[in-house]
Amino acid sequence: AQKVTQAQTEISVVEKEDVTLDCVYETRDTTYYLFWYKQPPSGELVFLIRRNSFDEQNEISGRYSWNFQKSTSSFNFTITASQVVDSAVYFCALSEGRRGSQGNLIFGKGTKLSVKP
Amino acid sequence: ETGVTQSPTHLIKTRGQQVTLRCSSQSGHNTVSWYQQALGQGPQFIFQYYREEENGRGNFPPRFSGLQFPNYSSELNVNALELDDSALYLCASTSKKENSYEQYFGPGTRLTVT
Repeated sequence: AQKVTQAQTEISVVEKEDVTLDCVYETRDTTYYLFWYKQPPSGELVFLIRRNSFDEQNEISGRYSWNFQKSTSSFNFTITASQVVDSAVYFCALSEGRRGSQGNLIFGKGTKLSVKP
Repeated sequence: ETGVTQSPTHLIKTRGQQVTLRCSSQSGHNTVSWYQQALGQGPQFIFQYYREEENGRGNFPPRFSGLQFPNYSSELNVNALELDDSALYLCASTSKKENSYEQYFGPGTRLTVT
């Protein structure tokens, strides 16, 4: 069975602190895709990154970075020098491989990040 | 701006009633998926449509049904509403990006069943 676990329900940091959001996944597929989405209070899910199971290179995009480790089935997300605008709920998601990244997404329960000034 | 729109924004219905939610995506987005997000939870997959045919379904009863139209719009219909159907309903439209596909979400419709 496929499953995504985000053990951190809520995290609160002070602006400029670094913060890491954890994501652990379970799947029997050898080909799969992992995603991170941001959901601000407005409700819309904002796509942040997609990673396929064959690409374990870490990625950095500005203040955001992602660490994908197949050995521990983890896909963690780090925000460096957090800002108030980063406050949102962040979701990690998994899609099965046979339908590629178009397949249905399995979401974790989300981590609510609050960045205080 | 994802190019995915949903209507209405908010809706209040009574238990037992029927509701239709709408989603509109950009030209060329052949695949649309619907998700239900209960308060404090992650979105759950309801079903997906590809070229107007259902292309996968999650663990939702048949009273949840959908349609996809040639103009890239889509509907989610829910019959015999129950209190637990109160949630944010999200549609996601798939766009090809480089050699892969990305799912872009609309702003959602918040349904309250009383």
